[in-house]
Amino acid sequence: DQQVKQNSPSLSVQEGRISILNCDYTNSMFDYFLWYKKYPAEGPTFLISISSIKDKNEDGRFTVFLNKSAKHLSLHIVPSQPGDSAVYFCAASAITGNQFYFGTGTSLTVIP
Amino acid sequence: NAGVTQTPKFQVLKTGQSMTLQCAQDMNHNSMYWYRQDPGMGLRLIYYSASEGTTDKGEVPNGYNVSRLNKREFSLRLESAAPSQTSVYFCASSEYLALNTEAFFGQGTRLTVV
Repeated sequence: DQQVKQNSPSLSVQEGRISILNCDYTNSMFDYFLWYKKYPAEGPTFLISISSIKDKNEDGRFTVFLNKSAKHLSLHIVPSQPGDSAVYFCAASAITGNQFYFGTGTSLTVIP
Repeated sequence: NAGVTQTPKFQVLKTGQSMTLQCAQDMNHNSMYWYRQDPGMGLRLIYYSASEGTTDKGEVPNGYNVSRLNKREFSLRLESAAPSQTSVYFCASSEYLALNTEAFFGQGTRLTVV
């Protein structure tokens, strides 16, 4: 059973506009959330994370928002650039757990 | 700075053949992982090693074995490959076991079993 879900397999956005990628989770024990970016033929690379004690974390053009009551997080990219075109995975872990749980990924295409 | 290195990058096996996927990290991380990525399934954990000398099963361990050779190296073995094991395999490492830390991934091994 998928504990971390990304319901949008793909997203297209114009260059300069905002990209919003969404992620839902079912396990209330998750307390640390991460976003990874993956280019073709490469491994995922860490992008940004957020702890459950926060509701927002910002790093340059990337902001992650966490809504614990809704068990939902989102990644905002502003402004979007063609180099942001990649597959984005969200992941979650629990302090009592032993692994990262990954979503199925969202393929973002930024159109020049 | 190499990070996490996996070998080989590509492999074709016949059903029933065996092989070992190698992984090494140079970041002095304690924990290492093996994931497989299949279309529509995300990354699923096969085995992990919390620290040198320990290994444990993840979500999808059947058909695989692992060895944590030392702190740097974590190998994944397919004893008798099956077409269902056709996938992209990723090795990863983290400073501690999925505890408020990120994982660093290798480039992946694309395995096809025919």
